Amino acid sequence: EAQLVESGGGFVKPGGSLRLSCAASGFTFRRAWMSWVRQAPGKGLEWVGRIRSQSAGGTTDYAAPVKGRISISRDDSKNTLYLQMNSLKSEDTGVYYCAHYGDAEYFQDWGQGTLVRVSS
Amino acid sequence: QSALTQPPSASGSPGQSVTISCTGTSSDVGGYNFVSWYQHHPGKAPKLMIFKVSQRPSGVSNRFSGSKSGNTASLTVSGLQADDEADYYCLSYAGSNNPVVFGGGTKLTVL
Repeated sequence: EAQLVESGGGFVKPGGSLRLSCAASGFTFRRAWMSWVRQAPGKGLEWVGRIRSQSAGGTTDYAAPVKGRISISRDDSKNTLYLQMNSLKSEDTGVYYCAHYGDAEYFQDWGQGTLVRVSS
Repeated sequence: QSALTQPPSASGSPGQSVTISCTGTSSDVGGYNFVSWYQHHPGKAPKLMIFKVSQRPSGVSNRFSGSKSGNTASLTVSGLQADDEADYYCLSYAGSNNPVVFGGGTKLTVL
């Protein structure tokens, strides 16, 4: 059974940086396309970005609101996904989920999320 | 990147059926058969309920079904149960430049 466990959330001041991690198990991580999705307080789910498997080029795509401020990476030797967030804004506050793509454009597995709070 | 349109709320009594709509455009819902639905109980991990418009993952009850007509996808929950009370989100692929678009979410209440 797939398991995704996020960590690294916390309080940060506007303009600060944070790196989130997602430890994966129960599936072949190196073959997986992975994504980050967030949910602001009282709001819906919002896609943040994704990273392809190394065999698919290991390239990334980002949502417009975060492009230029975030970077998604992976360490297949550690079965771990990362989200580096810079120049954080108050509107980046929310729960951040990592998600594992299925064989098409859908998210087969999700973590329980880690909370990021950006406030002065 | 515009969110897909879902009704903010839906409700039904135990045993009844309820349908949640997800309206997009020909650039997302109408253009691809890559609509998926997720159940989200607050504080828990979202759960995949339907993928590729109408396919159900192993382990998901057959009380959940999906369909699509034109630019609108739908999730139907039949035989409502108390545990179905949750937020439901649709998602559609919208092309290589905008691969993931979520709906705004629908809060399903079981009366």
